[in-house]
Amino acid sequence: GAVVSQHPSRVICKSGTSVKIECRSLDFQATTMFWYRQFPKKSLMLMATSNEGSKATYEQGVEKDKFLINHASLTLSTLTVTSAHPEDSSFYICSARLTSGGVDEQFFGPGTRLTVL
Amino acid sequence: SQQGEEDPQALSIQEGENATMNCSYKTSINNLQWYRQNSGRGLVHLILIRSNEREKHSGRLRVTLDTSKKSSSLLITASRAADTASYFCATVLTTDSWGKLQFGSGTQVVVTP
Repeated sequence: GAVVSQHPSRVICKSGTSVKIECRSLDFQATTMFWYRQFPKKSLMLMATSNEGSKATYEQGVEKDKFLINHASLTLSTLTVTSAHPEDSSFYICSARLTSGGVDEQFFGPGTRLTVL
Repeated sequence: SQQGEEDPQALSIQEGENATMNCSYKTSINNLQWYRQNSGRGLVHLILIRSNEREKHSGRLRVTLDTSKKSSSLLITASRAADTASYFCATVLTTDSWGKLQFGSGTQVVVTP
């Protein structure tokens, strides 16, 4: 199956710093990628839809200036948490949509655990 | 808000028993998918059922879909300790062109040897 990677897998940072998380589709091109946030023992909440070459579409209640998304190529989307604070600590998961050959499926990255001190 | 609600929230069974979990959703869907997540890991796609399908099988998994009741069920037969995980349903709405997944609240399944 298609593989999606995320980097880093784990990051600890000080309050006020910015953190960039990368999401890569390793063996397919993805026009559309998604970013989710997951709190402990909770479900995934969609944060934004990332479209290659255009601005991301954010879900209601998600601050676009706080969570900067860039989808500069068909295999890479980045999420930057700006001026991170402890309440931003969470598990961030990306997915990449594969639509070719009759397939329309999302493949998920392994997630990035962010801890803001 | 989440599209889907799942029940039970938690399920504890012994190896060999069947595990059933249910998912209800609110609006018309294109398809419904079930995912599995081991603790602190990414999601693994289990099965997709389209809105015009009523039942689907994959190995020890059986999924049903009742669009009139806006509900789906996932049955894991002859469970194993390795099935211990959280299970999520996710829907793609008919109104959505991006294929966005709306996740349910999840069911934590613990299978004891």
